[in-house]
Amino acid sequence: GAGVSQSPSNKVTEKGKDVELRCDPISGHTALYWYRQSLGQGLEFLIYFQGNSAPDKSGLPSDRFSAERTGGSVSTLTIQRTQQEDSAVYLCASSSYPARTGELFFGEGSRLTVL
Amino acid sequence: AQTVTQSQPEMSVQEAETVTLSCTYDTSESDYYLFWYKQPPSRQMILVIRQEAYKQQNATENRFSVNFQKAAKSFSLKISDSQLGDAAMYFCAYRSGAAGNKLTFGGGTRVLVKP
Repeated sequence: GAGVSQSPSNKVTEKGKDVELRCDPISGHTALYWYRQSLGQGLEFLIYFQGNSAPDKSGLPSDRFSAERTGGSVSTLTIQRTQQEDSAVYLCASSSYPARTGELFFGEGSRLTVL
Repeated sequence: AQTVTQSQPEMSVQEAETVTLSCTYDTSESDYYLFWYKQPPSRQMILVIRQEAYKQQNATENRFSVNFQKAAKSFSLKISDSQLGDAAMYFCAYRSGAAGNKLTFGGGTRVLVKP
């Protein structure tokens, strides 16, 4: 596609429910990233996929968080048993690899609100 | 682990004037890249300017320029001739030249432009 696409744009859920957030990267980009942005804060790295390599999961805050990337393209971030502190904007980005110039292309994010 | 610090939560500038945003970082590496990203209310992060650490010359992109002080680990952004469309959150980011593609972000600086 022309840009990184994320869905849903906004999601309101009740505490304890599971949620799935989707990211469709730019066509041809082999690297995909998930970041979390809490209200008024910077971006917190969650997970990074590169091609068929094992993902870098070092930023996932707990085992309630998981992500997968099917066919080297679309990625889904899943949060199980959501908590109020999970409320944030979840940003997805993609890049070519190796992105020596470092530019990541971001989507508009999914705003998650946990009641 | 690398850290990026933006000490100014908010900066205000008069239209057509100049504003400088501060960023410092902590690293023991010699090969790395630095970036400034802009995040307007649409939430989509947009790359403003990048700097390779091995380059002594400061990067410039139209009205945006940086002051890169490698020894001091400082990377400030100057916005000249500020326009209303420059109002946004600005994030400084670091990427290692060796350890993968992920970016480490600072906490952000909100720029307000007064007409």
